[in-house]
Amino acid sequence: DIQMTQSPSTLSASVGDRVTITCRASQSIGHWLAWYQQKPGKAPKVVIYKASSLESGVPSRFSGSGSGTEFTLTISNLQPDDFATYYCQQYNAYPLTFGRGTKVEIK
Amino acid sequence: QVQLVESGGGVVQPGRSLRLSCAASGFVFSSYGMDWVRQAPGKGLEWVAVIWYDGNKEYYADSVKGRFTISRDNSRNTLYLQMDDLTVEDTAIYYCARDRAPAAPYYLDFSGQGTLVTVSS
Repeated sequence: DIQMTQSPSTLSASVGDRVTITCRASQSIGHWLAWYQQKPGKAPKVVIYKASSLESGVPSRFSGSGSGTEFTLTISNLQPDDFATYYCQQYNAYPLTFGRGTKVEIK
Repeated sequence: QVQLVESGGGVVQPGRSLRLSCAASGFVFSSYGMDWVRQAPGKGLEWVAVIWYDGNKEYYADSVKGRFTISRDNSRNTLYLQMDDLTVEDTAIYYCARDRAPAAPYYLDFSGQGTLVTVSS
């Protein structure tokens, strides 16, 4: 199985900050990586797919990069609505696997 | 838009069975793979199983293989998860999700609130 290692587990930031979350795969997954945002009590929603493609309707302050085994999600100009938990997910092969999540909290 | 409504959760004793359902609408159900993903209280997301658009292929997480069975009824636009021999480690919110592809590993669309399964004696 492909293991996804996400860091940090928690990130404290202020409105207007630029934040970066990292996800590492235990083997190469090409560009087959998605990022999800989840708010308390809600289902996750995809923000980035294919490593760097912005999901329709998601603000352009979200961006993704990387390929192979190392990926990043960057949120520039952090907004109040962005405080949430973010998960990476590989879809190179079954079983689909998620990172453990990064909680972005208000400093 | 994609609407997925999960049901069937509840409190069940270890070793017992439960069947979850997911009613889908807003898209052509028979054209997409469908998954179950779970989230233990306060924990992260764990993929459980997938069934391809035509029901001809299924894959499972090792943690549920041999105990859970995913199925679908394309005539009823409904996804199912039969869960047998439940353990306390199966306690979680169960979400159904739509694949962005009919028959391949892909990323997922979630929409429902999930259904809570609690396994406890």
